[in-house]
Amino acid sequence: GAGVSQSPSNKVTEKGKDVELRCDPISGHTALYWYRQSLGQGLEFLIYFQGNSAPDKSGLPSDRFSAERTGGSVSTLTIQRTQQEDSAVYLCASSTSTVNYGYTFGSGTRLTVV
Amino acid sequence: DQQVKQNSPSLSVQEGRISILNCDYTNSMFDYFLWYKKYPAEGPTFLISISSIKDKNEDGRFTVFLNKSAKHLSLHIVPSQPGDSAVYFCAATYSGGSNYKLTFGKGTLLTVNP
Repeated sequence: GAGVSQSPSNKVTEKGKDVELRCDPISGHTALYWYRQSLGQGLEFLIYFQGNSAPDKSGLPSDRFSAERTGGSVSTLTIQRTQQEDSAVYLCASSTSTVNYGYTFGSGTRLTVV
Repeated sequence: DQQVKQNSPSLSVQEGRISILNCDYTNSMFDYFLWYKKYPAEGPTFLISISSIKDKNEDGRFTVFLNKSAKHLSLHIVPSQPGDSAVYFCAATYSGGSNYKLTFGKGTLLTVNP
C-alpha cells in the first residue's frame, strides 16, 4: 500500500486480557519496527525486524510482549495478560535497509487497558 | 536515563516569525540525527536529518544545526506557518552500530499563531 497501515486504531481492553496489534508495512520495505509512546514520553523502541527475523528484541518490556512477522510483510505485536501500564500508542514503522532517510510510521494503535 | 532531551515541552510563535526547537543529547556515540513532525492522531513524519560530519543542513524553510562539542542540535523554521503547528521530535542514532534504532526525545509542541 501507499503507507504503513495499523489496526485497530483504538483498542480498549480489560486488564488481564490478551491483545493483538497489526501492522501492514509499505510494500517492499524489508525493515519493520515497533515503537510505543506512553503519555508524556518520547517514542520507545520495542523491536526490529529484517525480513521475518527479529535481530533486536531488546526493547520489549517483558515476556508478556511478543511479535512476529510473516512473509516479510505483515507484523503482529501481541501483549498477553495486559496491565494498565501497557496503555500507550503503539507505532509501527517500515523502511528500506537504511534508516538514513527516516522511517515511515503508521498512525498507531491507541491501547487503553482498564 | 534520557539520552535525547527536548527541554521545552511547548513553544508558541507568531506566523511569519522564526521557530527554534532545541535538542540535547548525552551519548557521544550518536552520529546521525533526525527531526520528525507529528500531527494529532497521525504517525510521526520524517522532516530533516543531519550527519555528524556536517554542522548544518537546509531544506526549504527548515534548517537543522548541529553543535557536536555542545551535543546540541536545533531546528529552525523560517518563516513559520500555522500548518507547522505540531509536535516535533528529535531523534538520534549511531550509524556504526544499531543504526536502525532511533532514540527519541519527548517532543516539543509548536503552536504557530495566525
